[in-house]
Amino acid sequence: NAGVMQNPRHLVRRRGQEARLRCSPMKGHSHVYWYRQLPEEGLKFMVYLQKENIIDESGMPKERFSAEFPKEGPSILRIQQVVRGDSAAYFCASSPPNRQGNNEQFFGPGTRLTVL
Amino acid sequence: AQTVTQSQPEMSVQEAETVTLSCTYDTSENNYYLFWYKQPPSRQMILVIRQEAYKQQNATENRFSVNFQKAAKSFSLKISDSQLGDTAMYFCAFMMRDSSYKLIFGSGTRLLVRP
Repeated sequence: NAGVMQNPRHLVRRRGQEARLRCSPMKGHSHVYWYRQLPEEGLKFMVYLQKENIIDESGMPKERFSAEFPKEGPSILRIQQVVRGDSAAYFCASSPPNRQGNNEQFFGPGTRLTVL
Repeated sequence: AQTVTQSQPEMSVQEAETVTLSCTYDTSENNYYLFWYKQPPSRQMILVIRQEAYKQQNATENRFSVNFQKAAKSFSLKISDSQLGDTAMYFCAFMMRDSSYKLIFGSGTRLLVRP
């Protein structure tokens, strides 16, 4: 059973470009979370999604950031017109439906975004 | 809003010795979970141990145990018989049982195990 997969692992963008980060949850998992880790800091919650629904986006910046989790395919975190301050590691985590497994979230390896 | 505080930015311990990492949190809720995650240089987040707030018994996972003091809102992690592979960042995290079950992390403690 493959774990949470994220790609790309490393992404370099120039200021003003778009960044698309992908997350495939563990098989059978229907909850996806995105977290951001700035250098030398802890992870900060961004958004929580279920299939085709955004449940909690209280941690998402109001502009330039969006997320989706379509019925088919991976979850996508999209950052438009990136700025240097967006440079960070972005982690995806998934958990099973109906809060099985004691609410544990399983983390992917992260995508390190560098904005030049 | 819930907050998690880790007051020790860095800790160091001799191999085979015991070390305790501190964590305090602030919440007005009564129903929640607490976690310790390990982040080695690979940056992969690895769950170390979890505690349900309604359980009085402290959680234990092999060499890892917690001291959960609910009234004091304290959740420290004890690592016994430290090993070189324990060198990593350790993050304390809080999860409230609400509609999203999101994790709120502390700023982390960098642990170095010396040979």
